[in-house]
Amino acid sequence: EPEVTQTPSHQVTQMGQEVILRCVPISNHLYFYWYRQILGQKVEFLVSFYNNEISEKSEIFDDQFSVERPDGSNFTLKIRSTKLEDSAMYFCATTPTGGLSSYNEQFFGPGTRLTVL
Amino acid sequence: QKEVEQDPGPLSVPEGAIVSLNCTYSNSAFQYFMWYRQYSRKGPELLMYTYSSGNKEDGRFTAQVDKSSKYISLFIRDSQPSDSATYLCAILSGGFKTIFGAGTRLFVKA
Repeated sequence: EPEVTQTPSHQVTQMGQEVILRCVPISNHLYFYWYRQILGQKVEFLVSFYNNEISEKSEIFDDQFSVERPDGSNFTLKIRSTKLEDSAMYFCATTPTGGLSSYNEQFFGPGTRLTVL
Repeated sequence: QKEVEQDPGPLSVPEGAIVSLNCTYSNSAFQYFMWYRQYSRKGPELLMYTYSSGNKEDGRFTAQVDKSSKYISLFIRDSQPSDSATYLCAILSGGFKTIFGAGTRLFVKA
């Protein structure tokens, strides 16, 4: 069964460093998302991405964050200068299509645990 | 007021019990309601989704939406120890953004 994969599974970094989290979406999916989950807290939407553009972003997704699809397969989340409060589990999710005409299941990856020291 | 509210539990039940998990939401415009299951240190996995009001059944699971009271429920019949996980209610806001509840931790004791 196709699945979303994410690398690395665990990333440890020093405060102020840049990190890039990587996701390989399911091959025929067109919409991509990043969510984060701080330990013990709810899963929070960060950003959605379609056709090489951000479709929607939350207030969490500030100038420190960026997303791109550098090639035909990877979807990345970059945090430019990490802060202690960026420590969380980051989940990538993908759907075949988007919009309100019908529900499209979001398939989640296993997550990358980011620890900022 | 939070967009989606969910009691985090934990909820502990004996094997075979009927489990009832609930959420409330604030925006009457929401149309798609989902339940996800999340095992420890894993990504959320969609269990069921419902459009607008009504019930939806899938095996031992039943999802229910009452738009008049802005209340969504998930029932698990004949609960099993393998059902032990965190259950997240979620709502699709617009075309792209999923809003999650805090999640309820469920323990099913053998």
